Formats: sequence, C-alpha cells, structure tokens
Amino acid sequence: DQQVKQNSPSLSVQEGRISILNCDYTNSMFDYFLWYKKYPAEGPTFLISISSIKDKNEDGRFTVFLNKSAKHLSLHIVPSQPGDSAVYFCAAWTGANNLFFGTGTRLTVIP
Amino acid sequence: NAGVMQNPRHLVRRRGQEARLRCSPMKGHSHVYWYRQLPEEGLKFMVYLQKENIIDESGMPKERFSAEFPKEGPSILRIQQVVRGDSAAYFCASSPGGPDTQYFGPGTRLTVL
Repeated sequence: DQQVKQNSPSLSVQEGRISILNCDYTNSMFDYFLWYKKYPAEGPTFLISISSIKDKNEDGRFTVFLNKSAKHLSLHIVPSQPGDSAVYFCAAWTGANNLFFGTGTRLTVIP
Repeated sequence: NAGVMQNPRHLVRRRGQEARLRCSPMKGHSHVYWYRQLPEEGLKFMVYLQKENIIDESGMPKERFSAEFPKEGPSILRIQQVVRGDSAAYFCASSPGGPDTQYFGPGTRLTVL
C-alpha cells in the first residue's frame, strides 16, 4: 500500500530552467512533509519540509508547495544546476514513529 | 561531528547465511531508525529503536529479522537465513527526537547469492 506516490520516475531539465517534482499522498493524517535528495552510494539528505498548516515554504532555490485538498505537493528548483542531479524522495509524517517515502524521481540537469 | 556510520557498506551472503548490519548514530542521538530500499522502490520503514528498547517494529518482517540498540555500541540489524529477496540497500537514520529530524547513513548494500 503505497501511501506516498511519485509518479514520474525520471525528469530531465536544462541547466538554468525550473525543475518541478511532484508527489501525491493518500493518507489524510499526514501533517508534515519532507523532501530528501539522494546521490548514488550515499544516504538521503534532508532538503526542505513543510507543515500542513502552510501551503508554501521557500529556502533559496528550493520551494515546496502543498495543496491539501488535492493531497499533492511539489518541489520547485530554480534555477536548476547540474549539481542538483540526484534522486529526490518525497516523505510524509503523521506525527507517529516513522516516515512514509515515495519511490523517488531521478532528476538530471543537463548543462 | 561524524555523521551516521554504517558498516559494512557492502555485504555479500549466500542463501541461508546470517547478515549483520551495524549502525552508529550521530553523537547525542538516541533514536535509531532502519529502512530498506528494494530495487526501484522507495525507502520502507522497518524498525524504530531507542537505547535498549524497540519502540516500533511494525515494518519488520515477522521472521528472520531482528534489531537491537544496546546501551553501549552500535545498533544491529540481523537477518537470519538470508534469501535472495533480502537483497536490498538498508539505511539507518538517527535522530535526537522524532523522525522529522533524521540524519541518514550511507547505507549497507546486501547482496544474497
């Protein structure tokens, strides 16, 4: 039962353009959402998060948008840089003991 | 301040052998989480431990898998009688509190021949 879904396994974007990564969830009990970035042979690293009481959170080039009614969130990276090439995981939390992760989207930023 | 350490980074076992995966949390972190990532899938929660206690093992397979986090030393994820389906990357994360402040280790890639 995949409660967090990332339907695009991969995305390619030109350097300097905007990258938009999408995530959908099914559990209405989720009230905190996180994005992680993962390079090969490394563990995921935290990127940005958003609480369900907000609809937008911005940190430098990274912005996360939350649409609770649609159970959808997205991560915007602008401008995209080659170093952003990685796998991005969306994760959701109910406040209990664990996070629920999506299957990831592999972003490739083309120089 | 060293990050979360996991060893070994790569582990090869034959079917029926035991696999032991170790995780040393960040200094000052008393919460440890284990996740498994199967090929082409996301990370799946397995178990949450605090020192000497298993808090939540709802994601652990009922048989062959066990975890501990002793008072001294690293957390250990133990898989007995491994099968090919256990081949995966196993990630450990530590936190000073809840899972919203986790720091992940580099993972152990287990291959079962």
